[in-house]
Amino acid sequence: QIQLVQSGPELKKPGESVKISCKASGYTFTDYAMHWVKQAPGKGLKWMGWINTYTGKPTYADDFKGRFVFSLEASASTANLQISNLKNEDTATYFCARLRIAAISSYVMDAWGQGASVTVSS
Amino acid sequence: DTVLTQSPALAVSPGERVTISCRASESVSTLMHWYQQKPGQQPTLLIYLASNLESGVPARFSGSGSGTDFTLTIDPVEADDTATYYCQQSWNDPWTFGGGTKLELK
Repeated sequence: QIQLVQSGPELKKPGESVKISCKASGYTFTDYAMHWVKQAPGKGLKWMGWINTYTGKPTYADDFKGRFVFSLEASASTANLQISNLKNEDTATYFCARLRIAAISSYVMDAWGQGASVTVSS
Repeated sequence: DTVLTQSPALAVSPGERVTISCRASESVSTLMHWYQQKPGQQPTLLIYLASNLESGVPARFSGSGSGTDFTLTIDPVEADDTATYYCQQSWNDPWTFGGGTKLELK
């Protein structure tokens, strides 16, 4: 069955960097784009952008341009999210989500990782 | 950005019918999807393209709407449906989520 397994919780200091992984199984990794979603503690969901798992091209929402990098280890069916120069407001759970075609030119996030918690504190 | 507005919370009794609304600040055609999130868990897809039931999701869940007004209906509500429900649009860039509706059972 389709599974997205994310890396474990991270505790970091402001200014440090963190890399979160999302390992996919149960389907052909390069056939489906991977999206990233942020959820701050007690808050709602915020779309961060996505990466084309066939070409490796990332696309970032405006609020996530600059310190955020989406990357791939396609041979390992893994998508990564790296955040540099961490700030307190980066404290959140980060989800990866697979994108499936729903209709012609229409897509939906149909399978989600369990989430990776990042806490930024001095 | 397209703002999706949901009521913050609802409380219903098991066996009742509940409707959760989502209003978009501009048209999203039918590219609206609904997710359920239980505490400490990842979101799960319930409804896609406004009215299509995701495989494996109970038929108690249904969706409707187009343009700017959308509804998720649960009929009848069961105790296990206690969760936060999010709408999400994929018509306009950037994709956006509603603030979530927390469903509590009396």
